Amino acid sequence: QKEVEQDPGPLSVPEGAIVSLNCTYSNSAFQYFMWYRQYSRKGPELLMYTYSSGNKEDGRFTAQVDKSSKYISLFIRDSQPSDSATYLCAMTGGNEKLTFGTGTRLTIIP
Amino acid sequence: GAVVSQHPSRVICKSGTSVKIECRSLDFQATTMFWYRQFPKQSLMLMATSNEGSKATYEQGVEKDKFLINHASLTLSTLTVTSAHPEDSSFYICSARAQGGNSPLHFGNGTRLTVT
Repeated sequence: QKEVEQDPGPLSVPEGAIVSLNCTYSNSAFQYFMWYRQYSRKGPELLMYTYSSGNKEDGRFTAQVDKSSKYISLFIRDSQPSDSATYLCAMTGGNEKLTFGTGTRLTIIP
Repeated sequence: GAVVSQHPSRVICKSGTSVKIECRSLDFQATTMFWYRQFPKQSLMLMATSNEGSKATYEQGVEKDKFLINHASLTLSTLTVTSAHPEDSSFYICSARAQGGNSPLHFGNGTRLTVT
């Protein structure tokens, strides 16, 4: 079993819809959780960074962490075609190395 | 925000030659940088951790003599792919933390290496 599981998609939704992206993990030592967006042929761009359980909101993006269920989510409201990208979850327990999900390919259909 | 610059963005080289990739932290100092490799439609695979002023730490299965890492200053790390072969063709990405501990990684824009 992988330490971090992420549905690779592809996921296609119409413009304006709410998008839900999820990762599950098995290592209870993970404390810090990140979401990255990666456009084709580019490096990952940090979207959200959260510590422990709870919610964090930044514009159209909301990150949720449920440590009891070992489950994290990224919600995108009012999705735009420019949100079309691969979204990677990442997490660490504090040893500096990140463990990444496989990434979800998202397409927003105009 | 923290900016990591990577150069070149794309390189094509002949089999047997060496290629150097540079990674710079533009607005912060990074004692540690990380080098990743990414195959098409796959996630990032950590190759090595680059430590300023000391030897890099390589992940299991990564050949340290093939992928030479030098971290000579607090803002520059280099990855040299030596005696490149077509199977080394990949997308290489560096990253760094603007602050220590568990602050998030910031990534460069990657280097697409094609070995012919």
